[in-house]
Amino acid sequence: KAGVTQTPRYLIKTRGQQVTLSCSPISGHRSVSWYQQTPGQGLQFLFEYFSETQRNKGNFPGRFSGRQFSNSRSEMNVSTLELGDSALYLCASSSLTSGRSDTQYFGPGTRLTVL
Amino acid sequence: DAKTTQPNSMESNEEEPVHLPCNHSTISGTDYIHWYRQLPSQGPEYVIHGLTSNVNNRMASLAIAEDRKSSTLILHRATLRDAAVYYCILTKGGPTNAGKSTFGDGTTLTVKP
Repeated sequence: KAGVTQTPRYLIKTRGQQVTLSCSPISGHRSVSWYQQTPGQGLQFLFEYFSETQRNKGNFPGRFSGRQFSNSRSEMNVSTLELGDSALYLCASSSLTSGRSDTQYFGPGTRLTVL
Repeated sequence: DAKTTQPNSMESNEEEPVHLPCNHSTISGTDYIHWYRQLPSQGPEYVIHGLTSNVNNRMASLAIAEDRKSSTLILHRATLRDAAVYYCILTKGGPTNAGKSTFGDGTTLTVKP
């Protein structure tokens, strides 16, 4: 199976702009999670989607939002970009088998730089 | 979420075994122990996971203490490609908890030739 893919891989934006990142999960996986990784804060959970519904949310401001489509593909959006939003944004998918702890499979990430 | 504690860094010689420890004293009965690793410029990669019993796969072995308050990831023969940040995390079983993982700082493993 093809792995998790994320586009674009690199992105440069300026403060105040907005950005949309895309994630295609592994075929058959219905859960998609997003994480932000920075040198100072490490890997932090943003939100998780399952069947087009946000099921879990991390402690991030409302500028960070996401959605999931019927084919399980997901997008995340960051509005009014700030310098501190510069980070590696990672997407992970899992098969979400009931009753078990599901392994997450990560994509390569999108490196966002805010100038 | 229950927290894990790992050493910041460890060193190993190539082709020698490596034991990466993880403490999780507040683990609950439904928490799984997952290990991921992240190579430079890549997303985290699944290594292994377990609940109560020791586990083996082609990449590594996971030894879980009897009281489950600690675990050890064992790389049987370290290679230069194993140099990475290794994360030990606790995840709760079941669909309503899936997808939300709390990562600590991990252990940076350096492998010397």
